[in-house]
Amino acid sequence: DVKVTQSSRYLVKRTGEKVFLECVQDMDHENMFWYRQDPGLGLRLIYFSYDVKMKEKGDIPEGYSVSREKKERFSLILESASTNQTSMYLCASSELRETGSNEQFFGPGTRLTVL
Amino acid sequence: GENVEQHPSTLSVQEGDSAVIKCTYSDSASNYFPWYKQELGKRPQLIIDIRSNVGEKKDQRIAVTLNKTAKHFSLHITETQPEDSAVYFCAALPPLYSGAGSYQLTFGKGTKLSVIP
Repeated sequence: DVKVTQSSRYLVKRTGEKVFLECVQDMDHENMFWYRQDPGLGLRLIYFSYDVKMKEKGDIPEGYSVSREKKERFSLILESASTNQTSMYLCASSELRETGSNEQFFGPGTRLTVL
Repeated sequence: GENVEQHPSTLSVQEGDSAVIKCTYSDSASNYFPWYKQELGKRPQLIIDIRSNVGEKKDQRIAVTLNKTAKHFSLHITETQPEDSAVYFCAALPPLYSGAGSYQLTFGKGTKLSVIP
């Protein structure tokens, strides 16, 4: 079974704090993704990475950065947390495939509250 | 970039009836279309997917149809059961190695399906 884990299920931080969200996958997937999920807005991509040390901006990268030093680990960083970053954060991973399934496997999510 | 529209945003059906959720996409080059189900408090999970070289795919009570010309695809659930109640997301993926965004799934905003016993 593919397993994607996230460092915290719930996190409460104060405005201005630096926040680290960590994601680990155990299936040697090339691709890793960070999404945020808000009611009525679906899943919005923040950043993704298709290889170690490679990163690409998604649809809403402002206020976030990422780090991928090892293939299995992808970190999301909020340099200075703000209240509008209160959300559910989901990590996902997938293989690179041109045929068959490009299934993304999601982690359990981290519900971040910024006070 | 790709844009995916999903309708309806909420859907209530009686147990045993069918449910249909529709999505349209904007990038004619997109060639992979998955559907994810997210139960309350849980992570999204893939339930069915289709590639653009296929018009329809079935898996027991669920099916997906794809119309490449019209750029829309639909999820069909027959004989609905209470455990089908969840939020469903459609998505589209452009071909790999096609440039910026080629690894990026674009999701619809989701449909909350309620199956009434």
